[in-house]
Amino acid sequence: QVQLQESGPGLVKPSETLSLTCTVSDGSMNDYYWSWIRQSPGKGLEWIGYIYYKGSTDYNPSLKSRVTMSLDTPKNQVSLKLKSVTAADTAVYFCAGHKGYGERFDPWGQGILVTVSS
Amino acid sequence: DIQVTQSPSSLSASVGDSVTITCRASQSMNNFLHWYQQKPGKAPKLLIYAASTLQSGVPPRFSGSGSGTDFILTISNLQPEDFATYYCQQSYSTPYTFGQGTKLEIK
Repeated sequence: QVQLQESGPGLVKPSETLSLTCTVSDGSMNDYYWSWIRQSPGKGLEWIGYIYYKGSTDYNPSLKSRVTMSLDTPKNQVSLKLKSVTAADTAVYFCAGHKGYGERFDPWGQGILVTVSS
Repeated sequence: DIQVTQSPSSLSASVGDSVTITCRASQSMNNFLHWYQQKPGKAPKLLIYAASTLQSGVPPRFSGSGSGTDFILTISNLQPEDFATYYCQQSYSTPYTFGQGTKLEIK
């Protein structure tokens, strides 16, 4: 079973760039699409976007102007960058894999809380 | 965007009860609808995919039905570990969207 682990700073200042990494446990980087999903405290789930092995991406239009995703296949890592953050970007960020467009999210990482505050 | 409206937002039930949670989409999406269970401090866990297929390892007291715009998650014979928050999610088109969640509490 593929396992995912998010990592990165837990505190980011307003207007700066949030940078997270998702490490995939085995060599299955090319077998999945990789999505980032966030959940604001006490709120629901919001899909941020996905990237897959060809490097193609699809971002949520609500965040598209601020989001960049990338792959580092030799390191088994997926990265998320979200620029110009505000307090509204405070959330738990999850990475999740899906087998293709239109497929369910499974597996998920455990999530990482990122707080935007000065 | 496809809007996914989940109801109820909260639900109280007792161990042994059966409950249903519904999810209605703003447009037809075939069976591209999945259900997740989330417990506090944890990632969502896939329960049902493609509207009615039980994920491996999930107890058969969980079942899903529906197609098009209307979907149902049924939990029969509730167990203590089932008290959690449940979400539906559409993968018919991007941006993928989730329902608002249903918090299932012990009565």
